[in-house]
This record gives sequence, structure tokens and C-alpha cells, in this order.
Amino acid sequence: QVQLQQWGAGLLQPSETLSLTCAVYGESFTNYYWTWIRQPPGQGLAWIGQINYSGVTSYNPSLKSRVTISVDASKNQVSLVLKSVTAADTAVYYCARGFDYVGPWGQGTPVTVSS
Amino acid sequence: QSVLTQPPSVSGAPGQRVTISCTGSSSNIGAGYDVHWYQQLPGTAPKLLIYSSSRRPSGVPDRFSGSKSGTSASLAITGLQAEDEAEYFCQSHDNGLGGYVFGTGTTVTVL
Repeated sequence: QVQLQQWGAGLLQPSETLSLTCAVYGESFTNYYWTWIRQPPGQGLAWIGQINYSGVTSYNPSLKSRVTISVDASKNQVSLVLKSVTAADTAVYYCARGFDYVGPWGQGTPVTVSS
Repeated sequence: QSVLTQPPSVSGAPGQRVTISCTGSSSNIGAGYDVHWYQQLPGTAPKLLIYSSSRRPSGVPDRFSGSKSGTSASLAITGLQAEDEAEYFCQSHDNGLGGYVFGTGTTVTVL
């Protein structure tokens, strides 16, 4: 059964770079797209972007200038980098399997941006 | 930027039927894109509940059903149970925004 395990720094200062990794276990990594989604405190979900095993990406236009999603197929890992963070980027970040609908999801990584 | 509108909350007694609406526009649901639904229990990651408007992933009880018509979609829960207390989100694709969008979310309370 597929499992997604996430990790990364949880506290950042404004203008720093957010970096998260999601490892995929128990599934053929190459068969799917992998998506990042975030959820600000007490708010709804927001799609960040997605990637397939060969590196084809699509991003939320509102974040496109600051975000990079990459894959390391040899390690079955997907990474998210978000540059120049502000308080508005404070959220729980999730990775999930899928292109259109997504599931299962990782456990989520809370990220707080504060000076 | 939620372009899919859901009621903030719905409630019902155990055993009752509740429905959650997801209202979009001609650039998302009305453009023919599928609608998907997720259940988020308190303090946990969301879980896929309904995909392609009306299909249930393996393991999801048939008490949950989805439908789509025009620029809207609906999620119905029949035989409401205490374990159904959660936040529910719809999701679709939006041409204007150039990506995937989620609904505003609906809290289901079992009275």
C-alpha cells in the first residue's frame, strides 16, 4: 500500500526559502503524477503544482514565479521549493499522488513564516 | 482564491441524509471538468472521497455519493454517522485560473 512521508523545515523567516521533500513508498513512482497542496491555518486547500517522473510540471500561476517542484526518481522522492516566503505562505503543506484527483496524501508538514 | 462555493456548514441527526453543494462557473464545472470530493477529519490530511463526480474509491462506503449538473455539483451523505463529522472540500479544474481549484469547504456536524 502506497505511503507518502514528508519532511522539511517548519519555521522560516520572511524572505527565506521553503524546502520540503516527500518520499513515496510501496508504489511504482513512475506511474503517477505527484502534487503539492497547502492549507493555511483555518482555511481551505490551495493547489501549488504537480510533476511526473520525467519532470513535466505545472504550477499555480499565482505561485509560478517562486515555486519549483522536482523529482528524484532514483529515490522515489518529490521536492518542493518556494522562494522568498512571507507570512502569507504559512500553511500545512501536503504532497499527494495524482494528476486530476489526488490520493493518498502525505501526513502534512506545518510551515510557519515569522520573524 | 476559492472559485468553488460551498455552504460553510450543514448538520443532521444520525441516520439522516445531508447534501453539500459546490457551485462553480462556466470556467470550471460548467466547462465540463470533473468534480472530486475530499473528507478531512479534524487534525488529519484530506482523503479522497469521490472522484470523477460520482465514483467512489475502494473502501469508501456507499453512503457517500456525488453528482454534477451544469455549473454545480453535490455530495450526499445518507445514513449520517458520528464518524462523518468532518470538513468536506470539492475540487475541479479552472480554465481562467489555469489550474486546479478547491471549494471553500463545508463542516458537517452530526447532531
